[in-house]
Amino acid sequence: DADVTQTPRNRITKTGKRIMLECSQTKGHDRMYWYRQDPGLGLRLIYYSFDVKDINKGEISDGYSVSRQAQAKFSLSLESAIPNQTALYFCATSEERGYNEQFFGPGTRLTVL
Amino acid sequence: AQTVTQSQPEMSVQEAETVTLSCTYDTSESDYYLFWYKQPPSRQMILVIRQEAYKQQNATENRFSVNFQKAAKSFSLKISDSQLGDAAMYFCAYRRGNFGNEKLTFGTGTRLTIIP
Repeated sequence: DADVTQTPRNRITKTGKRIMLECSQTKGHDRMYWYRQDPGLGLRLIYYSFDVKDINKGEISDGYSVSRQAQAKFSLSLESAIPNQTALYFCATSEERGYNEQFFGPGTRLTVL
Repeated sequence: AQTVTQSQPEMSVQEAETVTLSCTYDTSESDYYLFWYKQPPSRQMILVIRQEAYKQQNATENRFSVNFQKAAKSFSLKISDSQLGDAAMYFCAYRRGNFGNEKLTFGTGTRLTIIP
């Protein structure tokens, strides 16, 4: 089984709808991240969390919110989706020590019509 | 703010040949880490190789090696004996070294095509 899972893998929604992307991990890591990937822009950090009670904004947090329900779960919400939020979304985890290598989920492709 | 620049949007190489992907970064920090990630068509992000800034020796992982030039703030990836499975987007990434700053800053990526 994958260590970092994301649901759904693909989603098409309409402008103005609320949508939640979910991430779960079995690696036992405290740190979790949400990134957005757009063509030609690489990956950009939306939010990150170092533990259940610690949530921080990344460089592009406007229009998004997150919830860390447990050590293993970190959800990303779009309260009112808009077309320029169409992108590939990645969840990642890392441990506290060493290289803090980030392990990525398989991504969620979101299309907002 | 730290920035990572990949100036080659696309590269191609003949199978079994060697290719080098370029990456430069801008930082005022002395302690940091650099990474190369591979994203094949499956879109999974896979760590290829990593380098700690305080280590002068260039990292090597099988056919993958880096040329880390700290003074020039350059971190290129060399792929030797290219294989069809190496075809992917490659992203260079940076993170600061101090505790609590594990956020990655990514470059815009280089798409590598392998010519059979």
